[in-house]
Amino acid sequence: DTAVSQTPKYLVTQMGNDKSIKCEQNLGHDTMYWYKQDSKKFLKIMFSYNNKELIINETVPNRFSPKSPDKAHLNLHINSLELGDSAVYFCASSQMGTSFYGYTFGSGTRLTVV
Amino acid sequence: AQRVTQPEKLLSVFKGAPVELKCNYSYSGSPELFWYVQYSRQRLQLLLRHISRESIKGFTADLNKGETSFHLKKPFAQEEDSAMYYCALKITGGGNKLTFGTGTQLKVEL
Repeated sequence: DTAVSQTPKYLVTQMGNDKSIKCEQNLGHDTMYWYKQDSKKFLKIMFSYNNKELIINETVPNRFSPKSPDKAHLNLHINSLELGDSAVYFCASSQMGTSFYGYTFGSGTRLTVV
Repeated sequence: AQRVTQPEKLLSVFKGAPVELKCNYSYSGSPELFWYVQYSRQRLQLLLRHISRESIKGFTADLNKGETSFHLKKPFAQEEDSAMYYCALKITGGGNKLTFGTGTQLKVEL
């Protein structure tokens, strides 16, 4: 029973398209995150939601819009995809506050923009 | 701003040799440090937290506040240790944001 699941695992699309990546966690965590891993394997946080409220919003183009319908789900919608958006996107979840033990990551979505 | 530095992009050792993956951080407050491991094309997995002072898969890491370091060590490398290792820093009041280093690829050769 996967703790943090992302769909799709692979996504190949053309420049200019709009696409969404979905993430769900069944750990009962109250905080979820999106990280981007670029071609050099560098990991950078994009967004974080705590109980459906946006708490971290790093310098990310407006074309990226996260949505959290409930605390178990965090989706990422990307408009007008560009070649530079090609990367692996990782979803993660954790508990906030004194119960923080680190993140549990999903298996990643490999996005290729052609 | 806080920062995590992993000076080695690639570390190659022979099986049975000791391993030390370096991690330095910059943060003036009280940090929480973590090591994550990513096996080939898999998800990142938590390996160690400095708070719990545990040993996982033979790896240990000690927080040295004087040197602002959290190096990962293992006395005898195994082939299955080959992976990407990330050091990560959590600061107080940062909304649980983890700042990751650039990662070190460990290759254990036979």
